[in-house]
Amino acid sequence: RKEVEQDPGPFNVPEGATVAFNCTYSNSASQSFFWYRQDCRKEPKLLMSVYSSGNEDGRFTAQLNRASQYISLLIRDSKLSDSATYLCVVNLRRAGGFKTIFGAGTRLFVKA
Amino acid sequence: EADIYQTPRYLVIGTGKKITLECSQTMGHDKMYWYQQDPGMELHLIHYSYGVNSTEKGDLSSESTVSRIRTEHFPLTLESARPSHTSQYLCASSESSTNGYTFGSGTRLTVV
Repeated sequence: RKEVEQDPGPFNVPEGATVAFNCTYSNSASQSFFWYRQDCRKEPKLLMSVYSSGNEDGRFTAQLNRASQYISLLIRDSKLSDSATYLCVVNLRRAGGFKTIFGAGTRLFVKA
Repeated sequence: EADIYQTPRYLVIGTGKKITLECSQTMGHDKMYWYQQDPGMELHLIHYSYGVNSTEKGDLSSESTVSRIRTEHFPLTLESARPSHTSQYLCASSESSTNGYTFGSGTRLTVV
């Protein structure tokens, strides 16, 4: 089982739709959580950190459920420009420091 | 404007050549990383550094080597390039283990 698993996608949604991605992690010692966005043939870019209380940035809302060991990303009012791959990232504390684990990503296509 | 720079952006090179991929950051981050990513696939950590004169191998076995003589510079070297090394190489840095990463634009390497 992978340490971080994401919805495989692709998600194909019309403009204006609300779409949600989930990501599960296997290690309860995970400390910090992030969502990244990666456009085709580009580098990943940090979209938002995910806090225990949940956080919102415009049309994007991220939530963390430690009991069930998953994080989610909700995108409201989807735009064409939201089309990208969304990567779930987990920082895991281990002896000597942290280990950062990237999920395989979920592809989103927003269509007109 | 990018705070982490990778050169070259694209490189086509013959089998057996020695190459160095450059990565520099101006943010004063102690932690730096090299990832390898094939198109549409996951990121794989190949090397990381937590500071000057500190380097470690990542999760993916790699024939490359790295050095960290200065905080801002983290070059990756392939002594003898092979077609199997064809991939995208992404450099990243972070302020701490609880902060997200900033990625460079990547070097797309093709070995012929």
